Amino acid sequence: DGGITQSPKYLFRKEGQNVTLSCEQNLNHDAMYWYRQDPGQGLRLIYYSQIVNDFQKGDIAEGYSVSREKKESFPLTVTSAQKNPTAFYLCASSPKLKGQGYNQPQHFGDGTRLSIL
Amino acid sequence: RKEVEQDPGPFNVPEGATVAFNCTYSNSASQSFFWYRQDCRKEPKLLMSVYSSGNEDGRFTAQLNRASQYISLLIRDSKLSDSATYLCVVNRGTGGYNKLIFGAGTRLAVHP
Repeated sequence: DGGITQSPKYLFRKEGQNVTLSCEQNLNHDAMYWYRQDPGQGLRLIYYSQIVNDFQKGDIAEGYSVSREKKESFPLTVTSAQKNPTAFYLCASSPKLKGQGYNQPQHFGDGTRLSIL
Repeated sequence: RKEVEQDPGPFNVPEGATVAFNCTYSNSASQSFFWYRQDCRKEPKLLMSVYSSGNEDGRFTAQLNRASQYISLLIRDSKLSDSATYLCVVNRGTGGYNKLIFGAGTRLAVHP
């Protein structure tokens, strides 16, 4: 089945440790996104990528890094500089829009819950 | 002020009730609009897009008022399975790619 796969489902980070969250899609979508969700809050954009080997910072990029070496993969690294990493992390993808229409939603993976040990 | 504002609720309604959620957005250049549904500890899933002319999908009706920068979702004949958080989402993408801005969500609890 086509979709977005995030792994692991649960992840624990020790102080001073970098951890990497995996996101893979087989939808042939050009754009991929990483969001963070804290309890009772909306999703906040961390990084996004519109094309292979290119990515842009979102609203809360500090303490995170990404790479986009392949179209289907967009891993997120939570570095030790991110002092409050405990959150629900969601990866999403969407196709490039055709014509003038922007009415194209994003599809989400089922998320990774990150906690500090 | 947040770019997308929603009443957080919770809305506690009995089965069969009609309930309406409202959402306002501040960026008049927003291109398109959606309602997503998020169950507890799960990923958001698209419920419906919102069109200027208004649109309906079964028991769900979405309305958009661009002049007032206001979006609504109406749920008729509520079911227990409608209990979830409803996210208002605005797209202000450019250059052929979308960029979604999410509201914090409105929680709905339908009881027997």
